[in-house]
Amino acid sequence: AQKVTQAQTEISVVEKEDVTLDCVYETRDTTYYLFWYKQPPSGELVFLIRRNSFDEQNEISGRYSWNFQKSTSSFNFTITASQVVDSAVYFCALSEADNYGQNFVFGPGTRLSVLP
Amino acid sequence: DSGVTQTPKHLITATGQRVTLRCSPRSGDLSVYWYQQSLDQGLQFLIQYYNGEERAKGNILERFSAQQFPDLHSELNLSSLELGDSALYFCASSVEGEFAKNIQYFGAGTRLSVL
Repeated sequence: AQKVTQAQTEISVVEKEDVTLDCVYETRDTTYYLFWYKQPPSGELVFLIRRNSFDEQNEISGRYSWNFQKSTSSFNFTITASQVVDSAVYFCALSEADNYGQNFVFGPGTRLSVLP
Repeated sequence: DSGVTQTPKHLITATGQRVTLRCSPRSGDLSVYWYQQSLDQGLQFLIQYYNGEERAKGNILERFSAQQFPDLHSELNLSSLELGDSALYFCASSVEGEFAKNIQYFGAGTRLSVL
């Protein structure tokens, strides 16, 4: 069965530090999608990025960057020069192709606290 | 603001009761998804509707049911409530019905407390 591991339960950093959130996944499918979502203290889930399994190009969006490595089944998320507003729980998710509901799973989340 | 509206924001009820959670998707989105977020189970997918029809099913209990109406809003019905049903229930929406790759936009959630 597919699985998503976010080994870091909680991370605390001081503002302006860089921080990397790890995501390791397991799947037997060759076609799949990976997502990152952010859940700030207000509670809603905010979409950050989607990556398909055939696109290993890393992506940068402002202070956010993502490193997708199929060889290690990882899809890590780095925040550069962190800010207090980055404090949130971050979820990595895996969605397998031909997904009719049984093959979409979220990781347990990593709680990031950015201290001023 | 994702454009997905969920009501009510909070709901307090007693064991054995029945409640209905409501979701209005983003304008133009045809798919609606329901999720449950609890401390012990994390985020779990419950069910998806696409243009009025059930499209995908996750770990939804038989006591729970959902539907999507012609105006595309959706309702999640929870019956015979138990203490363990206390959780945050999210609705999400997307334009298309293909679950695997869709970007889902989430509402702010309904916090259900069963006493």
